[in-house]
Amino acid sequence: GQQLNQSPQSMFIQEGEDVSMNCTSSSIFNTWLWYKQDPGEGPVLLIALYKAGELTSNGRLTAQFGITRKDSFLNISASIPSDVGIYFCAGPMKTSYDKVIFGPGTSLSVIP
Amino acid sequence: DARVTQTPRHKVTEMGQEVTMRCQPILGHNTVFWYRQTMMQGLELLAYFRNRAPLDDSGMPKDRFSAEMPDATLATLKIQPSEPRDSAVYFCASAPRQGEGNEQFFGPGTRLTVL
Repeated sequence: GQQLNQSPQSMFIQEGEDVSMNCTSSSIFNTWLWYKQDPGEGPVLLIALYKAGELTSNGRLTAQFGITRKDSFLNISASIPSDVGIYFCAGPMKTSYDKVIFGPGTSLSVIP
Repeated sequence: DARVTQTPRHKVTEMGQEVTMRCQPILGHNTVFWYRQTMMQGLELLAYFRNRAPLDDSGMPKDRFSAEMPDATLATLKIQPSEPRDSAVYFCASAPRQGEGNEQFFGPGTRLTVL
């Protein structure tokens, strides 16, 4: 079935550094979603991508929809302590557009 | 501001007891999802509703879990009897009508511990 893989699994970076993480699948997705989960809270949508090749920014965050439609990338520039959390990629299932599958997440720690 | 609310935030119970988790979706959202999050399995979809009707509960263990929407402002997830393996964080999420993207708005979760 459809599955999403994320790398790296975890990252420890210094405040001010840029961050890159990616999400891959063996299946094609028509929508890519990036969520962030703060400790003790539910995931919050950061960026949604709907078109292959699309590059979208939200403040210091930039995400890209891969040309093959099997991957997506999220970059964070000039990281700050509040960027700490788990970043999930997600996409709708082939069988139902409503149902979204989530990747295992990338845990980000920012050292002040 | 509009948010999904969940109660209780934390629940500790003993094996065999009934557990009921409640969710109030964002007003006007007609699709409600229940997820379970564990370290091993990540975020798993248990069930979801549209306009209060159950559309899919294939992710839910049928023998002990049940999900309902008594009205548009309340969704419930019940476990009876509970088992230690049910320990997890349970999230409710709501979404506006289909066609407005896949954005789901998550509640803060209920952290369940079954001893």
